[in-house]
Amino acid sequence: NAGVTQTPKFQVLKTGQSMTLQCAQDMNHEYMSWYRQDPGMGLRLIHYSVGAGITDQGEVPNGYNVSRSTTEDFPLRLLSAAPSQTSVYFCASSYRGSLTDTQYFGPGTRLTVL
Amino acid sequence: AQSVTQLGSHVSVSEGALVLLRCNYSSSVPPYLFWYVQYPNQGLQLLLKYTSAATLVKGINGFEAEFKKSETSFHLTKPSAHMSDAAEYFCAVTPSGGYQKVTFGIGTKLQVIP
Repeated sequence: NAGVTQTPKFQVLKTGQSMTLQCAQDMNHEYMSWYRQDPGMGLRLIHYSVGAGITDQGEVPNGYNVSRSTTEDFPLRLLSAAPSQTSVYFCASSYRGSLTDTQYFGPGTRLTVL
Repeated sequence: AQSVTQLGSHVSVSEGALVLLRCNYSSSVPPYLFWYVQYPNQGLQLLLKYTSAATLVKGINGFEAEFKKSETSFHLTKPSAHMSDAAEYFCAVTPSGGYQKVTFGIGTKLQVIP
Protein backbone atom coordinates (compact mmCIF):
# COMPACT_ATOMS: atom_id res chain seq x y z
CA ASN A 1 0.00 0.00 0.00
CA ALA A 2 1.21 3.51 -0.79
CA GLY A 3 -0.89 4.92 2.07
CA VAL A 4 -1.79 8.59 1.71
CA THR A 5 -0.09 10.40 -1.16
CA GLN A 6 -0.04 14.12 -1.88
CA THR A 7 1.06 16.11 -4.89
CA PRO A 8 2.81 18.41 -5.42
CA LYS A 9 5.36 18.48 -2.59
CA PHE A 10 6.15 22.15 -3.15
CA GLN A 11 4.28 24.94 -4.92
CA VAL A 12 4.74 28.66 -5.33
CA LEU A 13 1.77 30.74 -6.44
CA LYS A 14 1.13 34.38 -7.09
CA THR A 15 -1.74 36.13 -5.36
CA GLY A 16 -4.97 35.46 -7.22
CA GLN A 17 -3.86 32.27 -8.92
CA SER A 18 -5.78 29.06 -8.50
CA MET A 19 -4.56 25.55 -7.96
CA THR A 20 -5.58 22.13 -6.75
CA LEU A 21 -3.73 20.10 -4.16
CA GLN A 22 -4.14 16.41 -4.80
CA CYS A 23 -4.65 13.73 -2.17
CA ALA A 24 -5.19 10.04 -2.69
CA GLN A 25 -5.34 6.98 -0.45
CA ASP A 26 -5.38 3.30 -1.32
CA MET A 27 -6.63 1.93 2.00
CA ASN A 28 -10.34 2.12 1.16
CA HIS A 29 -10.85 4.67 3.92
CA GLU A 30 -14.18 6.46 4.08
CA TYR A 31 -12.96 9.46 6.09
CA MET A 32 -10.54 11.96 4.57
CA SER A 33 -9.54 15.40 5.70
CA TRP A 34 -7.35 18.40 4.99
CA TYR A 35 -5.32 20.30 7.59
CA ARG A 36 -3.06 23.27 7.42
CA GLN A 37 -0.03 23.61 9.65
CA ASP A 38 1.30 27.02 10.58
CA PRO A 39 4.16 27.85 12.96
CA GLY A 40 2.97 28.24 16.53
CA MET A 41 -0.57 27.11 15.69
CA GLY A 42 -0.46 23.34 15.38
CA LEU A 43 -2.76 21.75 12.81
CA ARG A 44 -6.15 23.13 11.94
CA LEU A 45 -8.88 21.28 10.09
CA ILE A 46 -9.97 22.84 6.78
CA HIS A 47 -12.49 20.40 5.30
CA TYR A 48 -13.37 16.78 5.76
CA SER A 49 -15.35 14.04 4.05
CA VAL A 50 -17.06 11.00 5.54
CA GLY A 51 -17.52 9.31 2.17
CA ALA A 52 -17.86 9.84 -1.56
CA GLY A 53 -20.19 12.73 -2.27
CA ILE A 54 -20.20 14.00 1.34
CA THR A 55 -18.06 16.89 2.54
CA ASP A 56 -18.22 19.36 5.39
CA GLN A 57 -16.36 22.35 6.76
CA GLY A 58 -13.76 22.25 9.48
CA GLU A 59 -12.31 25.01 11.60
CA VAL A 60 -10.79 27.17 8.81
CA PRO A 61 -12.69 26.54 5.54
CA ASN A 62 -12.67 30.03 4.02
CA GLY A 63 -10.83 30.26 0.71
CA TYR A 64 -10.86 26.51 0.09
CA ASN A 65 -13.18 24.17 -1.80
CA VAL A 66 -13.32 20.39 -1.79
CA SER A 67 -15.23 17.62 -3.48
CA ARG A 68 -15.18 13.85 -3.13
CA SER A 69 -16.24 12.02 -6.26
CA THR A 70 -14.43 8.78 -5.41
CA THR A 71 -13.43 7.02 -2.21
CA GLU A 72 -9.74 7.32 -3.12
CA ASP A 73 -9.37 11.01 -3.97
CA PHE A 74 -9.99 14.21 -2.02
CA PRO A 75 -8.60 17.28 -3.81
CA LEU A 76 -8.34 20.69 -2.17
CA ARG A 77 -8.89 23.72 -4.39
CA LEU A 78 -7.70 27.25 -3.85
CA LEU A 79 -9.76 29.44 -6.18
CA SER A 80 -7.87 32.70 -5.63
CA ALA A 81 -4.73 32.26 -3.58
CA ALA A 82 -3.83 34.79 -0.88
CA PRO A 83 -0.58 35.23 1.07
CA SER A 84 -2.46 34.13 4.21
CA GLN A 85 -2.77 30.70 2.63
CA THR A 86 0.99 30.19 2.73
CA SER A 87 1.25 27.05 4.83
CA VAL A 88 1.99 23.35 4.86
CA TYR A 89 -1.05 21.30 3.92
CA PHE A 90 -1.63 17.76 5.11
CA CYS A 91 -4.19 15.28 3.92
CA ALA A 92 -5.23 12.49 6.27
CA SER A 93 -7.51 9.49 6.18
CA SER A 94 -9.01 6.95 8.54
CA TYR A 95 -11.39 4.04 8.18
CA ARG A 96 -14.56 5.86 9.19
CA GLY A 97 -13.37 8.91 11.11
CA SER A 98 -14.11 7.33 14.47
CA LEU A 99 -11.58 7.96 17.22
CA THR A 100 -11.02 4.23 17.54
CA ASP A 101 -9.62 4.35 13.99
CA THR A 102 -6.04 5.43 13.42
CA GLN A 103 -5.64 8.52 11.28
CA TYR A 104 -2.92 8.34 8.61
CA PHE A 105 -1.25 11.47 7.28
CA GLY A 106 0.30 12.20 3.92
CA PRO A 107 3.76 13.78 3.58
CA GLY A 108 2.40 17.29 3.02
CA THR A 109 2.43 20.03 0.41
CA ARG A 110 4.41 23.17 1.18
CA LEU A 111 2.62 26.14 -0.44
CA THR A 112 3.97 29.66 -0.74
CA VAL A 113 1.75 32.46 -2.02
CA LEU A 114 3.59 35.59 -3.07
CA ALA B 1 -14.61 23.92 23.86
CA GLN B 2 -11.46 21.94 24.36
CA SER B 3 -7.81 22.93 24.17
CA VAL B 4 -4.32 21.66 24.88
CA THR B 5 -1.28 23.49 26.14
CA GLN B 6 2.15 22.12 25.39
CA LEU B 7 4.72 23.56 27.76
CA GLY B 8 7.98 24.29 26.00
CA SER B 9 8.13 24.74 22.24
CA HIS B 10 11.70 23.38 22.28
CA VAL B 11 13.13 20.70 24.56
CA SER B 12 16.71 19.44 24.53
CA VAL B 13 17.88 16.22 26.16
CA SER B 14 21.08 14.25 26.07
CA GLU B 15 21.13 10.87 24.40
CA GLY B 16 20.18 8.28 27.01
CA ALA B 17 18.40 10.78 29.25
CA LEU B 18 14.73 10.82 30.19
CA VAL B 19 12.37 12.46 27.72
CA LEU B 20 9.46 14.39 29.25
CA LEU B 21 7.13 16.40 27.03
CA ARG B 22 4.33 18.16 28.83
CA CYS B 23 0.71 18.48 27.77
CA ASN B 24 -2.19 19.89 29.76
CA TYR B 25 -5.72 19.77 28.42
CA SER B 26 -8.95 21.57 28.97
CA SER B 27 -12.20 19.82 28.24
CA SER B 28 -15.71 20.13 29.62
CA VAL B 29 -16.33 16.40 29.20
CA PRO B 30 -14.08 13.33 29.50
CA PRO B 31 -11.52 13.66 26.74
CA TYR B 32 -9.76 11.47 24.26
CA LEU B 33 -6.08 12.43 24.06
CA PHE B 34 -3.40 11.79 21.48
CA TRP B 35 0.30 12.21 20.93
CA TYR B 36 1.64 12.46 17.38
CA VAL B 37 5.22 12.65 16.12
CA GLN B 38 6.36 14.51 13.01
CA TYR B 39 9.78 13.82 11.57
CA PRO B 40 11.33 16.48 9.30
CA ASN B 41 9.48 16.90 6.02
CA GLN B 42 6.98 14.16 6.86
CA GLY B 43 3.38 13.91 7.94
CA LEU B 44 2.18 13.18 11.46
CA GLN B 45 2.31 9.66 12.85
CA LEU B 46 0.26 8.49 15.81
CA LEU B 47 2.40 7.61 18.85
CA LEU B 48 -0.37 6.71 21.26
CA LYS B 49 -3.88 7.58 22.32
CA TYR B 50 -5.97 7.59 25.48
CA THR B 51 -9.60 6.60 25.07
CA SER B 52 -10.76 6.24 28.69
CA ALA B 53 -9.43 2.73 29.23
CA ALA B 54 -6.11 2.34 31.09
CA THR B 55 -4.66 5.62 32.34
CA LEU B 56 -1.11 4.57 31.43
CA VAL B 57 -0.88 4.27 27.68
CA LYS B 58 2.02 2.66 25.89
CA GLY B 59 2.85 3.66 22.35
CA ILE B 60 5.36 2.99 19.65
CA ASN B 61 9.13 3.53 19.88
CA GLY B 62 9.17 3.11 23.68
CA PHE B 63 7.00 6.14 24.45
CA GLU B 64 4.24 6.18 27.02
CA ALA B 65 1.89 8.72 28.54
CA GLU B 66 -0.18 8.84 31.70
CA PHE B 67 -3.63 10.41 31.90
CA LYS B 68 -4.00 12.30 35.18
CA LYS B 69 -7.48 13.71 35.56
CA SER B 70 -6.68 15.57 38.79
CA GLU B 71 -3.86 17.44 37.04
CA THR B 72 -5.57 17.61 33.61
CA SER B 73 -2.31 16.34 32.17
CA PHE B 74 -1.18 13.84 29.58
CA HIS B 75 2.60 14.07 29.60
CA LEU B 76 4.69 12.00 27.18
CA THR B 77 7.74 10.16 28.49
CA LYS B 78 10.50 7.86 27.31
CA PRO B 79 13.11 6.50 29.73
CA SER B 80 16.11 6.83 27.42
CA ALA B 81 16.33 9.22 24.48
CA HIS B 82 17.74 8.06 21.18
CA MET B 83 19.05 10.23 18.39
CA SER B 84 16.22 9.01 16.19
CA ASP B 85 13.68 10.57 18.60
CA ALA B 86 14.57 14.05 17.38
CA ALA B 87 11.31 15.32 15.91
CA GLU B 88 8.32 17.53 16.66
CA TYR B 89 5.65 16.15 18.96
CA PHE B 90 2.02 17.22 19.03
CA CYS B 91 -0.54 16.66 21.75
CA ALA B 92 -4.19 16.66 20.69
CA VAL B 93 -7.57 16.44 22.44
CA THR B 94 -11.18 15.80 21.56
CA PRO B 95 -14.18 15.50 23.85
CA SER B 96 -16.11 13.10 21.68
CA GLY B 97 -17.06 12.27 18.15
CA GLY B 98 -14.59 11.83 15.34
CA TYR B 99 -11.44 13.47 14.06
CA GLN B 100 -13.31 16.56 12.91
CA LYS B 101 -13.40 17.68 16.53
CA VAL B 102 -9.72 17.14 17.38
CA THR B 103 -7.76 20.16 18.60
CA PHE B 104 -3.97 20.08 18.24
CA GLY B 105 -1.37 21.76 20.40
CA ILE B 106 1.31 23.97 18.91
CA GLY B 107 3.97 21.28 19.09
CA THR B 108 7.24 20.67 20.94
CA LYS B 109 10.48 20.21 19.04
CA LEU B 110 12.69 17.65 20.69
CA GLN B 111 16.44 17.93 20.19
CA VAL B 112 18.63 15.00 21.24
CA ILE B 113 22.22 15.90 21.98
CA PRO B 114 24.89 13.22 21.45
